[in-house]
Amino acid sequence: EVQLLESGGGLVQPGGSLRLSCAASGFTFSSYPMNWIRQAPGKGLEWVSGLSGSGGSTYYTDSVKGRFTISRDNSKNTVYLQMDSLRDEDTALYYCVKRSSGYAFNWFDAWGQGTLVTVSS
Amino acid sequence: EIVMTQSPATLSVSPGERATLSCRASQSVSFNLAWYQQKPGQAPRLLIYGASNRATGVPARFSGSGSGTEFTLTISSLQSEDFALYYCHQYNDWPSDTFGGGTKVEIK
Repeated sequence: EVQLLESGGGLVQPGGSLRLSCAASGFTFSSYPMNWIRQAPGKGLEWVSGLSGSGGSTYYTDSVKGRFTISRDNSKNTVYLQMDSLRDEDTALYYCVKRSSGYAFNWFDAWGQGTLVTVSS
Repeated sequence: EIVMTQSPATLSVSPGERATLSCRASQSVSFNLAWYQQKPGQAPRLLIYGASNRATGVPARFSGSGSGTEFTLTISSLQSEDFALYYCHQYNDWPSDTFGGGTKVEIK
């Protein structure tokens, strides 16, 4: 069974930093792209960032480019999201999400339960 | 960016009735469209991928159709556990995926 367990969320002031972690199990971690998707309180889903199975290719939505860094450690089956220069609008529940394959045109087939990031002074 | 528009925002349906949810893309996404169900306090759950393929364990009352820019999720006979939020997701523009704003299916 695929399991994704996020951690690292919390309350941070604007301009601050947080590092999210996602521990994965139940599948061959290095074979699958991983992503972070967020959901602001009472709002819809927004893809934030993703990276390839090797970690060699990374992708970001425009609003977080230059502020967030995604990475992975395949020896630890863990994906990370380093979040710097946080803004009020980054407040959301952050989900760790697995893609269905390492090829193009793949969907999200497993989601963690999320970790809450609150940016407020 | 491909904009996904879902309608209606809220759908009021009686148990046992059929529910039809729509999703429109601002440009063609071919068959690269998925649907997810989200219940309060839970993560989204994959229902449909490839516009019409049910994910593992998804009941047969859920069906998806469409291609290009127009897609539909149909729940043939609503059960109590189906009252939830539903999101469409285009992955044609991978990795810059986008989601629709969601349709809430509520009890009439």
